[in-house]
Parts: sequence; C-alpha cells; structure tokens
Amino acid sequence: KQEVTQIPAALSVPEGENLVLNCSFTDSAIYNLQWFRQDPGKGLTSLLLIQSSQREQTSGRLNASLDKSSGRSTLYIAASQPGDSATYLCAVRPNQGAQKLVFGQGTRLTINP
Amino acid sequence: GAVVSQHPSRVICKSGTSVKIECRSLDFQATTMFWYRQFPKQSLMLMATSNEGSKATYEQGVEKDKFLINHASLTLSTLTVTSAHPEDSSFYICSAAAGEKLLFGSGTQLSVL
Repeated sequence: KQEVTQIPAALSVPEGENLVLNCSFTDSAIYNLQWFRQDPGKGLTSLLLIQSSQREQTSGRLNASLDKSSGRSTLYIAASQPGDSATYLCAVRPNQGAQKLVFGQGTRLTINP
Repeated sequence: GAVVSQHPSRVICKSGTSVKIECRSLDFQATTMFWYRQFPKQSLMLMATSNEGSKATYEQGVEKDKFLINHASLTLSTLTVTSAHPEDSSFYICSAAAGEKLLFGSGTQLSVL
C-alpha cells in the first residue's frame, strides 16, 4: 500500500528566504507526482506535475524534483513571499489506469513579513 | 478554462438529516469524478470514485449506504451524506480529470450539530 509522508509538518520562515519542502513515498512504482497548494478552508490548486520519467519541473519561483528510485520529491520555493503562506500537499498517482491520488499530510507554510 | 465547481461551500445541519453536495465540471466533460474527505490538519482521503452512468466504487471502510453518490451526467456528480452524525463533520472535496491533471473543487465544510 502506497504511503506518502511530508516533512516538516509546519514551517515558518522570514520573507525572502529560499526553502525546501520534502515528500517521500513508499512504493517507487508511480505514474506521476503532483504538488498542490491549499489555502485554509479552500480547495486545491495544482502547482506542478512531474511524470515518472521526469526529474524536475519548474514554474516561476517553484521547482519540484523527483527521485523515483529513492521515493523522494522536493518542492523548492525561491524568494518566499507572505502570499506563499498555505498548506502544500504532495500527491502520488500510483498508476496510469486509475486517476485517484494518494496524498501526504501536507506542510503548513507561514512566511513572515 | 476547465474548472470544477462545488456547492455548497459550507453547510450546517442537524444530526439525522441528509445533506447533498454537488460537483460540476465546467467547460469539460468528466466521465470520472473523485470524492475526498479531509479532517482538520490531516490529509485528503479518497472516499469513492464516481463513474458516469454506473455505480460508484467505494474505498475500503467507506459506507456506501451512508455516502450516496450519483453521477447521472458527464458534468455533474453528487454526494449525499445520509442521516448525518457529528462524526461526519469534515471537509469534502471533489475532483475530476482534465487531461493528465486532476482539478479540484473548492470544497464543502460540513458541520453536523
């Protein structure tokens, strides 16, 4: 059974810092991995999607990497801003057939002005 | 663009009543939709997979008679929480596939008194 873990559970940093969020998964046989952002009481916004054959994806100040063999992914946020404060969720899609996702518990990020 | 619209965003009901949550795909057709539940500070857990025109597939431990899912058209899936109890209070989110990405609704916060 696939399990996804995110460390740390919460992170608070000053504005302007670069930071890394970690995600690990127990079964390396995945189809893809996706990072989401969730604001309090809201739905999910997809940030980056990495296919199993890819090593990384970039969007603006965000960079996500994937090391499938070791079961790890990182989300790098450059020059953090208060507006980046949210919960970041990592989710694994186990196979191509089923589009359901297995989520980590998330990292609650607070960027202090 | 493609959007998943979910209503209501918040509902408060008395114990023993039933509550219906709607999930609509806008500007795309969704043959499959997914229903997730999220307890405070926990991750999203898949409850069921909703297939247009057929019965939903429920995850282990989810009571199909309590959480009724109807997917009568390619753009609408509904989740009805029947005879709701306080322990059903949670954040419910639907999602649908738009290509390779999964789009999520804005969620419904259910509070059962």
